[in-house]
Amino acid sequence: AQTVTQSQPEMSVQEAETVTLSCTYDTSESDYYLFWYKQPPSRQMILVIRQEAYKQQNATENRFSVNFQKAAKSFSLKISDSQLGDAAMYFCAYRIKTSGSRLTFGEGTQLTVNP
Amino acid sequence: GAVVSQHPSRVICKSGTSVKIECRSLDFQATTMFWYRQFPKQSLMLMATSNEGSKATYEQGVEKDKFLINHASLTLSTLTVTSAHPEDSSFYICSARDGRARKGYTFGSGTRLTVV
Repeated sequence: AQTVTQSQPEMSVQEAETVTLSCTYDTSESDYYLFWYKQPPSRQMILVIRQEAYKQQNATENRFSVNFQKAAKSFSLKISDSQLGDAAMYFCAYRIKTSGSRLTFGEGTQLTVNP
Repeated sequence: GAVVSQHPSRVICKSGTSVKIECRSLDFQATTMFWYRQFPKQSLMLMATSNEGSKATYEQGVEKDKFLINHASLTLSTLTVTSAHPEDSSFYICSARDGRARKGYTFGSGTRLTVV
């Protein structure tokens, strides 16, 4: 069974600084997707970034980037120039490439951004 | 972009009554919809997967007779909590898969259910 582990229940960062959130996963599949979702206090799930396993290049979306280490099954999220609006619960998620497959979520990391 | 509308956003019901939550894809056809339950400060727990026109697939430990899921059209799925009890109080979130190629999963805004 696929599992996703986020070992940091809480993280904090100073505004304008950089923070990295960790995620590891376990799978026997060779091709899959990895995601980072953000859930602010409104509780709306927002997709932050997506990585396809067969792509070696790390995905980036503006201030958000990932460090994808396929052999180590690691998928960390780096947030640069942190902003107050980045404060939220962040979930790492995985799914296989089969059409309609389910998302498996990690436990989440609560990020606090200090002014 | 893909939008999923979920209603109601909040509902309070009495023990023993039933409550229906709707999840509607507004600008795409959702071939697959997912229903999650989330407790405070915890992750999303998948309850069931529904495909249009077929019976939902429930996760282990989820009572199918208590949590009725109907996915009668490509744009609407409903979750009905039957004979609600206070322990059913939770945050319920739906997610829909856009059937178009290379589109992802979009989430509804969630429903906070309180059973009194």
